[in-house]
Amino acid sequence: GENVEQHPSTLSVQEGDSAVIKCTYSDSASNYFPWYKQELGKRPQLIIDIRSNVGEKKDQRIAVTLNKTAKHFSLHITETQPEDSAVYFCAASQTTGFQKLVFGTGTRLLVSP
Amino acid sequence: DSGVTQTPKHLITATGQRVTLRCSPRSGDLSVYWYQQSLDQGLQFLIQYYNGEERAKGNILERFSAQQFPDLHSELNLSSLELGDSALYFCASTQTGGADTEAFFGQGTRLTVV
Repeated sequence: GENVEQHPSTLSVQEGDSAVIKCTYSDSASNYFPWYKQELGKRPQLIIDIRSNVGEKKDQRIAVTLNKTAKHFSLHITETQPEDSAVYFCAASQTTGFQKLVFGTGTRLLVSP
Repeated sequence: DSGVTQTPKHLITATGQRVTLRCSPRSGDLSVYWYQQSLDQGLQFLIQYYNGEERAKGNILERFSAQQFPDLHSELNLSSLELGDSALYFCASTQTGGADTEAFFGQGTRLTVV
């Protein structure tokens, strides 16, 4: 089955810096890669996703890149703000049939003012 | 508000007991997923139901079971509870059975086994 590894487990940056979180997956059939943000004590919420037919997707200060050959994808946050502090989870799944969404272990991002 | 409702929000129970966690998906969503999140751990997939039928299974213990009812709400039953079962249990719903659309999470049920 699919296995998703995520690094780093914790990331501390200064406000205004960029943050990068990386994930690798094992199943070459996976073709849907969402990112979820979980603020302290709250539920995970989707912030951006990418499908295998594109290599990059951007939404304001966040972007995701995908390298299918190397089986890794990354989340990039620019001009970080204190409200970006949260745990970020990457995930992977297939788009055919009833496939489960497999999550990475999470990255705790701390943005200091 | 995601539209997914989980009850109860908090549950404290003793070892060896049995509890039932309830999840009501968003209106129109047919699929329900259950996840376990232990302290400082990721989201471990337990089980998925689609329109009343079990569709995918993850690392769910034999002491745990789930079902989805005709009105599409789902229940996760945890029995013979152990201290290590203490965790935050999330359910999420999607409109289809596939995992390639946004999953809307409930607020979770925090289970504490003492």
